[in-house]
Amino acid sequence: SQQGEEDPQALSIQEGENATMNCSYKTSINNLQWYRQNSGRGLVHLILIRSNEREKHSGRLRVTLDTSKKSSSLLITASRAADTASYFCALANAGGTSYGKLTFGQGTILTVHP
Amino acid sequence: GAGVSQSPSNKVTEKGKDVELRCDPISGHTALYWYRQSLGQGLEFLIYFQGNSAPDKSGLPSDRFSAERTGGSVSTLTIQRTQQEDSAVYLCASSSRGDGRYYTQYFGPGTRLTVL
Repeated sequence: SQQGEEDPQALSIQEGENATMNCSYKTSINNLQWYRQNSGRGLVHLILIRSNEREKHSGRLRVTLDTSKKSSSLLITASRAADTASYFCALANAGGTSYGKLTFGQGTILTVHP
Repeated sequence: GAGVSQSPSNKVTEKGKDVELRCDPISGHTALYWYRQSLGQGLEFLIYFQGNSAPDKSGLPSDRFSAERTGGSVSTLTIQRTQQEDSAVYLCASSSRGDGRYYTQYFGPGTRLTVL
């Protein structure tokens, strides 16, 4: 299966601490994306990293991609209570015709305590 | 501008009834996706429309599920003879081709379907 596997399933930290979530996968990808979901409803796109990139930053977010290990990590620095949400990695397959189709992991539930 | 909208936001139906879920993508987005998310689960891909190409239906779980996209814009997901295991949040997303083959998907708020 191309589905990403996320680790940990749940993460509980104090405000101001950093949060790291990991995503591993099994086959070749075109790109990997991270999404955030509040209250089990719509997802918000956070960041996209292409297969030929190793690291990207966006505000307090840092994403790394290691294609040799087939893994990615999402780091949220200086966390805030408002960062409390579920975070999903999503894989875009390499090759094929459905370039836009994404396969999502099970997600990491992040809780940031004030 | 307006984001992806979905209707209804909540739908409660009885087992065996048919339901229709609607998605209005962002204007100008050529790609439209349907996913579903069961309680405590990740997102499961259902179907993908890209322009005038034949849709990718590889994720539809059974022939009770179908979807269409009229005029390259609005999409309707239809579930016939609903079963209790169909209960889930159904999410729609749209994207534009943008930079080559790299897409960012913009999600709607979802429709929560409950089958009694």
